[in-house]
Amino acid sequence: GAVVSQHPSRVICKSGTSVKIECRSLDFQATTMFWYRQFPKQSLMLMATSNEGSKATYEQGVEKDKFLINHASLTLSTLTVTSAHPEDSSFYICSAQRGVKETQYFGPGTRLLVL
Amino acid sequence: AQSVTQPDIHITVSEGASLELRCNYSYGATPYLFWYVQSPGQGLQLLLKYFSGDTLVQGIKGFEAEFKRSQSSFNLRKPSVHWSDAAEYFCAVGATGNQFYFGTGTSLTVIP
Repeated sequence: GAVVSQHPSRVICKSGTSVKIECRSLDFQATTMFWYRQFPKQSLMLMATSNEGSKATYEQGVEKDKFLINHASLTLSTLTVTSAHPEDSSFYICSAQRGVKETQYFGPGTRLLVL
Repeated sequence: AQSVTQPDIHITVSEGASLELRCNYSYGATPYLFWYVQSPGQGLQLLLKYFSGDTLVQGIKGFEAEFKRSQSSFNLRKPSVHWSDAAEYFCAVGATGNQFYFGTGTSLTVIP
């Protein structure tokens, strides 16, 4: 159990367009989902925390209007990168958690390349 | 403030040799501790976790870790490394407010 999927696994888009990334918990209900960004050979940087049915909590320095997060159900959260620029190119990873202070289970990641 | 330190950026071991990856944390209360492994271009897979109880925890793939409160450490060990263990390893501490704090990772190379 505890499988998390992400879609798409890889996306290439033009500068100025928007890209939506989905994160799904396949076999459990996730009260909380997290979005991370990872630069090459670096650790994960937490971008935001989202709880089902409420607004996401963004980390300092993360633009909420640029990285729109929606946690519409207990099994789905989406991250939309709006008006993407080349500097937004990165590896985006989501994780899902059943309850407070429980293990985070990670998705396989989405590689975004903005041309 | 909470923090996680992985002192070794990169480690190289021979296949069949033992392995120890270091992790030190800074956290005021009893921490929840995790080790994850990441293969290139992949997400993170949970190896093991410590919440409470026995300070020596067993994980998947033959890994184990020992929580030492006095040293604020949670080092990961494996008695005999396999070539497939080559990956990036992340230590993380779970804090109040549900956040995870990750170390900077240790890259493991296994030579035949």
